[in-house]
Amino acid sequence: SAVISQKPSRDICQRGTSLTIQCQVDSQVTMMFWYRQQPGQSLTLIATANQGSEATYESGFVIDKFPISRPNLTFSTLTVSNMSPEDSSIYLCSVDLWDSNEQYFGPGTRLTVT
Amino acid sequence: GIQVEQSPPDLILQEGANSTLRCNFSDSVNNLQWFHQNPWGQLINLFYIPSGTKQNGRLSATTVATERYSLLYISSSQTTDSGVYFCAVEGGSNYQLIWGAGTKLIIKP
Repeated sequence: SAVISQKPSRDICQRGTSLTIQCQVDSQVTMMFWYRQQPGQSLTLIATANQGSEATYESGFVIDKFPISRPNLTFSTLTVSNMSPEDSSIYLCSVDLWDSNEQYFGPGTRLTVT
Repeated sequence: GIQVEQSPPDLILQEGANSTLRCNFSDSVNNLQWFHQNPWGQLINLFYIPSGTKQNGRLSATTVATERYSLLYISSSQTTDSGVYFCAVEGGSNYQLIWGAGTKLIIKP
């Protein structure tokens, strides 16, 4: 298994500002994923972040709005830029363990934009 | 792409009851996982079960890959079992999970 932490756990932000969410894993992993979960909904993949390459974004998500960094094998950040109330969601990072093919999730960041 | 359907969407039970949650998927998959999202939003891994049967305490899961479905059984439900149960599958080579809409389970004391 993997132990994943996220910072901040929650935040309330004003529209037009940006927030950077950090994800830290207790072991080296190749693949990290960022998800968004809007209230009462299932998870939607934002992007896949592999160390040493540019993040791959899913349809409907763009780098200018959700820039991602992946400086090493244990850490990644997601920035939510120029926020609007529609960005209010839980943002989750996950990792794929190469030896088991299971995905494990961080505790999430609960974002409210006013 | 692969479609994942979960049923029922909502389930309300008394403490002590048993339940069966279903996950249907539309194509062959490499990976299937069941998760429990607790009321605080934390996603907890329950089972990694691309095929076969696994048990963990009061929970068990069975995946019949040839018939493209998986079942999650919860016996002797407790209030702490409340939350949303998600099924997610991975079908391609990119390790991306495709998620069902979830089953919201409420266990009443």
